[in-house]
Amino acid sequence: DTAVSQTPKYLVTQMGNDKSIKCEQNLGHDTMYWYKQDSKKFLKIMFSYNNKELIINETVPNRFSPKSPDKAHLNLHINSLELGDSAVYFCASSRYGTDTQYFGPGTRLTVL
Amino acid sequence: AQSVSQHNHHVILSEAASLELGCNYSYGGTVNLFWYVQYPGQHLQLLLKYFSGDPLVKGIKGFEAEFIKSKFSFNLRKPSVQWSDTAEYFCAVNAASGAAGNKLTFGGGTRVLVKP
Repeated sequence: DTAVSQTPKYLVTQMGNDKSIKCEQNLGHDTMYWYKQDSKKFLKIMFSYNNKELIINETVPNRFSPKSPDKAHLNLHINSLELGDSAVYFCASSRYGTDTQYFGPGTRLTVL
Repeated sequence: AQSVSQHNHHVILSEAASLELGCNYSYGGTVNLFWYVQYPGQHLQLLLKYFSGDPLVKGIKGFEAEFIKSKFSFNLRKPSVQWSDTAEYFCAVNAASGAAGNKLTFGGGTRVLVKP
């Protein structure tokens, strides 16, 4: 059984479009995260939600809007996509606190 | 603010060679430490972690790491690598107190290539 899953795995789109990436976890965790991995493999946290409440919001453009309909899901919506948004986006989950984070397979976003 | 640095960006070695990857962190408080591995085209997987106790931590696939608090280091080691260890390795830390949420700060990664 997949612990943390993301859809789609690949996303190719034009500049200016709006797109969403979905994430689901079946680990019973109450905290979920979005990370961005750039072309140099550098990983940086974007957002974190605990029980549907935003707890970490790094300096991310407000074109990025996370949405958590319940504690098992954390979706990422991106408006007006730009070339610089091309990256691999990883979702992760953990129990609340400082527990180990488990990562999804990633979504490779390419903006043309 | 936390920061993590991994000294080697690329490491190339032959099968059966020993591997050691350096990781140093900067943070004013107590941290939890992690090593994750990313095999080509795959997601991040946890290799091992240190929260407290014995500073020598054993993980999966024969990896181990040693936390040296005085040196702010958490180096990863494997005595004898295999071709299947070819991957990107990431060191990461978070604040043990839970300050600023469970924010994982990653190092820049070390790409390891094991030649058959």
